[in-house]
Amino acid sequence: EAGVAQSPRYKIIEKRQSVAFWCNPISGHATLYWYQQILGQGPKLLIQFQNNGVVDDSQLPKDRFSAERLKGVDSTLKIQPAKLEDSAVYLCASSLGQGSAFFGQGTRLTVV
Amino acid sequence: QKEVEQDPGPLSVPEGAIVSLNCTYSNSAFQYFMWYRQYSRKGPELLMYTYSSGNKEDGRFTAQVDKSSKYISLFIRDSQPSDSATYLCASHTGNQFYFGTGTSLTVIP
Repeated sequence: EAGVAQSPRYKIIEKRQSVAFWCNPISGHATLYWYQQILGQGPKLLIQFQNNGVVDDSQLPKDRFSAERLKGVDSTLKIQPAKLEDSAVYLCASSLGQGSAFFGQGTRLTVV
Repeated sequence: QKEVEQDPGPLSVPEGAIVSLNCTYSNSAFQYFMWYRQYSRKGPELLMYTYSSGNKEDGRFTAQVDKSSKYISLFIRDSQPSDSATYLCASHTGNQFYFGTGTSLTVIP
């Protein structure tokens, strides 16, 4: 069974630029999560999708972050414009809805 | 108060030692508990998944849940240098997951 795929693995951008991350969850997993993980901290939920609908985006900085999952499968997360404090690892995870979540390798973003 | 609390460490032990990693949680409705292992520059990898109270063993790893004290533990027997990683405890209700901050473990050869 293929795992959660994310791209790119690494990205370096200047502040105020925009960036997009892509995630393809495990086949059949209806629930998809985007997490932000700052060095030394646990993952912080940004947004949760159930199929193509948003379940929870309460911690998503909506003035600069957006995410979509148009066909209920893969998803993109965008940051525009980026700030220095957005430097983090962005993790995508998926689950069947019952049971644990499975994570991708993450995208390490550095904003300079 | 955070939903799941975890001592960040770091924890350093000699090879072969027994390691005990611990978390506490605040929500008595939590039923499912997980331990993830995260190597440097990698995503978290599910290590153990348990339901309700009791122990679950998988090789050198034992997960323990004590719902009466809201305490979650992971024991690693005969620790190896390859166990050096950050260990995240987590719980979930329905589709919502709550993570600890992670404990950094180094096993010294």
